[in-house]
Amino acid sequence: EIVLTQSPGTLSLSPGERATLSCRASQSVSSSYLAWYQQKPGQAPRLLIYGASSRATGIPDRFSGSGSGTDFTLTISRLEPEDFAVYYCQQYGSSSCSFGQGTKLEIK
Amino acid sequence: QVQLQESGPGLVKPSGTLSLTCAVSGGSISSSNWWSWVRQPPGKGLEWIGEIYHSGSTNYNPSLKSRVTISVDKSKNQFSLKLSSVTAADTAVYYCARVPLYANYYYMDVWGKGTTVTVSS
Repeated sequence: EIVLTQSPGTLSLSPGERATLSCRASQSVSSSYLAWYQQKPGQAPRLLIYGASSRATGIPDRFSGSGSGTDFTLTISRLEPEDFAVYYCQQYGSSSCSFGQGTKLEIK
Repeated sequence: QVQLQESGPGLVKPSGTLSLTCAVSGGSISSSNWWSWVRQPPGKGLEWIGEIYHSGSTNYNPSLKSRVTISVDKSKNQFSLKLSSVTAADTAVYYCARVPLYANYYYMDVWGKGTTVTVSS
């Protein structure tokens, strides 16, 4: 089973700043099978990025994903107030799926 | 557009079986998608439970496999989750989600709102 480790656990930033969130896999993951989600309190997760770097429909271009192999990154270029939430990475491989433990992005 | 709606008992007794249904509207469950269950314990992260294709093919989380059954009812356009021998650790918000079969990608693009299940006597 592939374990995803996200860092940092909590990221404190101000609106307008750049956010860089990391997702590291315990073994190599196909980029096609790496996705990122945003979750706000009381809501279901929302797909942001799939295929490691493709934005989902309706996702602003301030969100971008990159990486390959075992190291993946979600970048938010200029934080808007609505971006403060919890972010999860997800992988699929060998007919099994797993999520990272999440990074909480909070207002500084 | 496709919408998903979870339903089922909000309270299950320890050692009992948790049973939930996800109704698919705005599209056919027989389309080219996998249909998944994901849960989230209070204050914690997301955990994948398993998935099913309309043919009946399933994949399960190895850590839950011995207790999980996911099934599909094409006549009702819905799929279901059964989790047996539940304990307090199974208390969570349970989500259903769609995984489109698209160009060799894997992601969950449509989610239900989630339903809270508490395991307690």
